[in-house]
Amino acid sequence: QVQLVESGGGVVQPGRSLTLSCAGSGFTFSSYGMHWVRQAPGKGLEWVAVIWYDGSNKYYADSVKGRFTISRDNSKNTLYLQMYSLRAEDTAVYYCAKDGTEGARPHFDSWGQGTLVTVSS
Amino acid sequence: QSALTQPASVSGSPGQSITISCTGTSSDVGGYNYVSWYQQYPGKAPKLMIYDVTNRPSGVSNRFSGSKSGNTASVTISGLQAEDEADYYCSSYRDSSPHVVFGGGTKLTVL
Repeated sequence: QVQLVESGGGVVQPGRSLTLSCAGSGFTFSSYGMHWVRQAPGKGLEWVAVIWYDGSNKYYADSVKGRFTISRDNSKNTLYLQMYSLRAEDTAVYYCAKDGTEGARPHFDSWGQGTLVTVSS
Repeated sequence: QSALTQPASVSGSPGQSITISCTGTSSDVGGYNYVSWYQQYPGKAPKLMIYDVTNRPSGVSNRFSGSKSGNTASVTISGLQAEDEADYYCSSYRDSSPHVVFGGGTKLTVL
């Protein structure tokens, strides 16, 4: 069965950086687009970024463009999210989500358990 | 303010049917059949219930069905059960930034 396991969350000061990882198993990782979706405490879901199956296309939410970088290592079945210049409003549970397609027709058919990122001094 | 508009809450009695709407624009919901719906229990990860407007993943109850008319998509839950009480989110591909948009979520209460 599909399994997605996020790691790397924690408490970080404003302006600092943090990198999240998501290890995928139970499916052919290199065939599917992968997303990051976040949820601030008590709030709704917010899409953050997508990377296509082969890394050829990457798209970002306006709120993180220029500060976050999504990447993947298909040889390690791992997705990453490098977060720079973190702000208080980036505080959220970050979910790794598998796309049901290569990335062009997005929907999230499997989700990780989430990792909490808290930006606070 | 979310890109897609959903009612904040809906409610229904066991056995009844309810419908949750999701309104966007011609750049997202109205222009593409890439609308999906997610169920989320408190403290848990979301679960895909409907994709590509009408398709149900394997294992999802056939009490859940999706549809679309113009810029508004909907999910209908028939034969409401206590276990359906959760938050529901719609999502759509968008042809301009951002690539994907969510609705603000709808809290379903089973009376």
